[in-house]
Amino acid sequence: EVQLLESGGGFVQPGGSLRLSCAASGLTFSADAMSWVRQAPGKGLEWVSTISGSSGSIYYADSVKGRFTISRDNSKNTLFLQMNSLRADDTAVYYCAKLEGATMARNWFDPWGQGTLVTVSS
Amino acid sequence: EIVMTQSPATLSVSPGERATLSCRASQSVSSNLAWYQQKPGQAPRLLIYGASTRATGIPARFSGSGSGTEFILTISSLQSEDFAVYYCQQYNNWPRTFGQGTKVEIK
Repeated sequence: EVQLLESGGGFVQPGGSLRLSCAASGLTFSADAMSWVRQAPGKGLEWVSTISGSSGSIYYADSVKGRFTISRDNSKNTLFLQMNSLRADDTAVYYCAKLEGATMARNWFDPWGQGTLVTVSS
Repeated sequence: EIVMTQSPATLSVSPGERATLSCRASQSVSSNLAWYQQKPGQAPRLLIYGASTRATGIPARFSGSGSGTEFILTISSLQSEDFAVYYCQQYNNWPRTFGQGTKVEIK
């Protein structure tokens, strides 16, 4: 069974930085593309970023491009999201998710971790 | 960016009744559409991918249909555990985009 466990969330002031981690088990981590998806309090889901298994392909939402960096350590089965220049509208639960599908061009999110809350406020 | 629009925003249904949820894409996404269920305080769970293929372990009362720009999620006979928020998501183009969700509540 695939398990994804996020950590690293917390309270940070605007302009600050935070690094999220997602520890994966039960999968061949290096073979799987991974993503971050966020959900602001009481709102819907927003895709944030995706990275291929080899880290050769990386995608970002425009809302985080230039501020967030996705990366992975396949030797430790861990996904990361480095978040810089944080803003109040980055406040959300951040979920990591494994991607399923035959190619990077066509894949969906399954399964999801339980999420970690990031609060950006002064 | 492809905009996904779900309707209705809220659906009030009695247990045992059928629920029909709609999702419309602003341009064709072929059959590259997924549906997720989210209960309060929980992570989303994949229900359907490829517009109509049920994910592993998903009961047969959940079915998806459609292609191009119009999609439907049908829950044939609502059980108590099905009251939740449902999201559609396209994976035909980057950026990946979600609908705003349909809340299925008890009537």
